[in-house]
Amino acid sequence: QSALTQPASVSGSPGQSITISCTGTTSDVGDYDYVSWYQQHPGKAPKLIIYEVSSRPSGVSNRFSGSKSGNTASLTISGLLPEDEADYHCGSYSSSSTLVVFGGGTKLTVL
Amino acid sequence: EVQLLESGGGLVQPGGSLRLSCAASGFGVSSYTIAWVRQAPGKGLEWVSSSSRSGDTYYADAVKGRFTISRDNSRNTVYLQMNSLRGEDTAVYYCAKGRSRDGYSPWGQGTLFTVSS
Repeated sequence: QSALTQPASVSGSPGQSITISCTGTTSDVGDYDYVSWYQQHPGKAPKLIIYEVSSRPSGVSNRFSGSKSGNTASLTISGLLPEDEADYHCGSYSSSSTLVVFGGGTKLTVL
Repeated sequence: EVQLLESGGGLVQPGGSLRLSCAASGFGVSSYTIAWVRQAPGKGLEWVSSSSRSGDTYYADAVKGRFTISRDNSRNTVYLQMNSLRGEDTAVYYCAKGRSRDGYSPWGQGTLFTVSS
């Protein structure tokens, strides 16, 4: 069982916006602005798309945005494209003995 | 171009040992934190271990005492020595550059190993 909780799946139509939640505790998401999001296409390595809650690495589309409220972080993808269909994983720094915690991943289907 | 390339996967019997390698190019591993993250078949990501540029090492509770992370700066390579392997260690193992607070980027392509008799 993953330390962070994500929905197993979400779906949306091209052009729509979707939001994926990532719920942790005061030992991770709630107390630190060190939440990251990763996109993973089938058979490929994860790719960093959001770090420090809402920052985007160079080259990542501004259709991807992140936010946080309390113990829950969120990833929003606007203007869905077919190539956005992938698994999305959240991760957070943790003050527990486990330095880093991840969610179980969310499968995004673009209908 | 900054790249990481893992190697060393395969089939290992329960209780056995294996060493994974993570060769870096485009940057020096001596200047950055390198992490190992694994993904069991059909599952989410699980952080395994990190080695900071200062030489500090960190481990997940699930592997503490069994896995050892090390680096050879002259070879620009980070290793993960895995002992007393169990079925639940079966996964694709990725190495990645960076700290949890900054996000991991880039990741290697991953190497799969299976623990089975």
